[in-house]
Amino acid sequence: KNEVEQSPQNLTAQEGEFITINCSYSVGISALHWLQQHPGGGIVSLFMLSSGKKKHGRLIATINIQEKHSSLHITASHPRDSAVYICAVLNYGGSQGNLIFGKGTKLSVKP
Amino acid sequence: DTGVSQNPRHKITKRGQNVTFRCDPISEHNRLYWYRQTLGQGPEFLTYFQNEAQLEKSRLLSDRFSAERPKGSFSTLEIQRTEQGDSAMYLCASSPTGGSTEAFFGQGTRLTVV
Repeated sequence: KNEVEQSPQNLTAQEGEFITINCSYSVGISALHWLQQHPGGGIVSLFMLSSGKKKHGRLIATINIQEKHSSLHITASHPRDSAVYICAVLNYGGSQGNLIFGKGTKLSVKP
Repeated sequence: DTGVSQNPRHKITKRGQNVTFRCDPISEHNRLYWYRQTLGQGPEFLTYFQNEAQLEKSRLLSDRFSAERPKGSFSTLEIQRTEQGDSAMYLCASSPTGGSTEAFFGQGTRLTVV
């Protein structure tokens, strides 16, 4: 079983829909990242959080440390949001640079 | 541009050849990481530097792979005697010290071994 599991693997939405991507992890962590990867391959960091909730524009990330679960929400989705969204955790007590990544959720937003 | 820069963006090589990739981190970032991402998978950790010291290497990093960060600034990742299974996206990231764990990623180098 992977240490970081994301769901769904693939998601198709209509423009304007509210989107939720989930991430569950099985290790103790010091931080969790939500990353965005476009088809060209480059990765952009969206959020880093260790507790609570963060908001940036139409994006909201939440984390529940006790339940070892995080969600990424996109409000009023737009075709330009189409990308792969990756959850990655920094393993608490592990090496400082060793992020553990989920396999990603491929989001496609149709106009 | 003050982001993480990787070169080349794409590399096609014949099996058995050696390739070298370069990563220029954000200046003053002490930590530099290399990851590998195969199609349909999330990235996997390869190795990590704190300044010029290579502090950890994944078991994924076979003896054909070597990484250096000689002056604690840019880093190179060399793959010797490439195999088709080495075809992947190689990602570099950097982060500052001082307790921050936010990582900044480069655009990646896509390697295709034919």
